[in-house]
Amino acid sequence: DARVTQTPRHKVTEMGQEVTMRCQPILGHNTVFWYRQTMMQGLELLAYFRNRAPLDDSGMPKDRFSAEMPDATLATLKIQPSEPRDSAVYFCASGPPAGARGEQFFGPGTRLTVL
Amino acid sequence: AQTVTQSQPEMSVQEAETVTLSCTYDTSESDYYLFWYKQPPSRQMILVIRQEAYKQQNATENRFSVNFQKAAKSFSLKISDSQLGDAAMYFCAYRENSGAGSYQLTFGKGTKLSVIP
Repeated sequence: DARVTQTPRHKVTEMGQEVTMRCQPILGHNTVFWYRQTMMQGLELLAYFRNRAPLDDSGMPKDRFSAEMPDATLATLKIQPSEPRDSAVYFCASGPPAGARGEQFFGPGTRLTVL
Repeated sequence: AQTVTQSQPEMSVQEAETVTLSCTYDTSESDYYLFWYKQPPSRQMILVIRQEAYKQQNATENRFSVNFQKAAKSFSLKISDSQLGDAAMYFCAYRENSGAGSYQLTFGKGTKLSVIP
């Protein structure tokens, strides 16, 4: 049963600390997305990759957020330094190559709380 | 920029009855996908149904069906024979399908569906 996995599922940290979230996309998928969900803003795109290359990170605060794909099986989202306003659920999603059915498959999310 | 609007923040339905969730979107593209995702309290985003804009036939998946009105840019979700497990947040989402376009999903704000026993 192919699934997107994310670690950790929950993270509580103090303001100023570094936070790293990891995602393993579904094998064979070549697009990876990072979304953030908050009550106020809803679901918003932070960044996405195709074939491990970053295509769009315009939704990400550049001064503190960074996203990478060291290899095809791992995507990371880092926040340094973290702030209370970063508290949210962060979802990773992966999708099959273009021309397929268009779906994105979501991981279970990382619930981040910054105190 | 594309926008997706869900005008019903909350809806409720009696168990075994039918409910329709509304969604409108704005785009200048002619080729795109539309989706409904379900998010139960577990927070997992679950794909419910998808529609390709170039297909006139409305998509159906068991008790879930859509009413896709391309000219009106409307994409509503009908849930028939509602079950307690259908209680969740439902998100409407849009994605371009052009070769040079973005593959990101643009989401509406969601509709919280309650199912009354």
